Amino acid sequence: DTAVSQTPKYLVTQMGNDKSIKCEQNLGHDTMYWYKQDSKKFLKIMFSYNNKELIINETVPNRFSPKSPDKAHLNLHINSLELGDSAVYFCASSQVIRTDTQYFGPGTRLTVL
Amino acid sequence: DAKTTQPPSMDCAEGRAANLPCNHSTISGNEYVYWYRQIHSQGPQYIIHGLKNNETNEMASLIITEDRKSSTLILPHATLRDTAVYYCIVRVGSNFGNEKLTFGTGTRLTIIP
Repeated sequence: DTAVSQTPKYLVTQMGNDKSIKCEQNLGHDTMYWYKQDSKKFLKIMFSYNNKELIINETVPNRFSPKSPDKAHLNLHINSLELGDSAVYFCASSQVIRTDTQYFGPGTRLTVL
Repeated sequence: DAKTTQPPSMDCAEGRAANLPCNHSTISGNEYVYWYRQIHSQGPQYIIHGLKNNETNEMASLIITEDRKSSTLILPHATLRDTAVYYCIVRVGSNFGNEKLTFGTGTRLTIIP
């Protein structure tokens, strides 16, 4: 009965490859997010989707492309991976009301060699 | 969103109350105070939030000063599983999914056996 799940949990790949991370939530929420936590542990928002519509798009390279096939899923595709993309990526979801609480997934640790 | 200031680290004896302070002197009238925590290698976990009044739930209590310029998160009976980084975040409520959580460096709380 996992609320927010991500696959894979670990991802090790070579520079230049293309990879995807999947996120699913079973909470019935209408908003989903991607956050990146770098090696210094800073956690930063990348994207948010509300009802499959892109709402937040922070200063993220074009190589990162989120895709939301439906309200329960938000996938992150990364093209031409670089060493600096190594990080832990967290998916989150919320039900947008006045004080929406975000629920986070367990994270995907991406290592680019 | 208003900036928050937290001590970088704190220790607390197991079984005692852990009191984590947060300063948010530039908070606006429509901004809420949120607390999240991140246990090692896991996704951030929502703890509690409030606007003006003190709040309590099964995890913690939140005490907000009358001028709203600071708050304290109280874990009433700390256990070893409460060892984590605690983040105090202030932000407006959202109706459109466009209000991101801006994580600072947080307070690393260590519960001592």
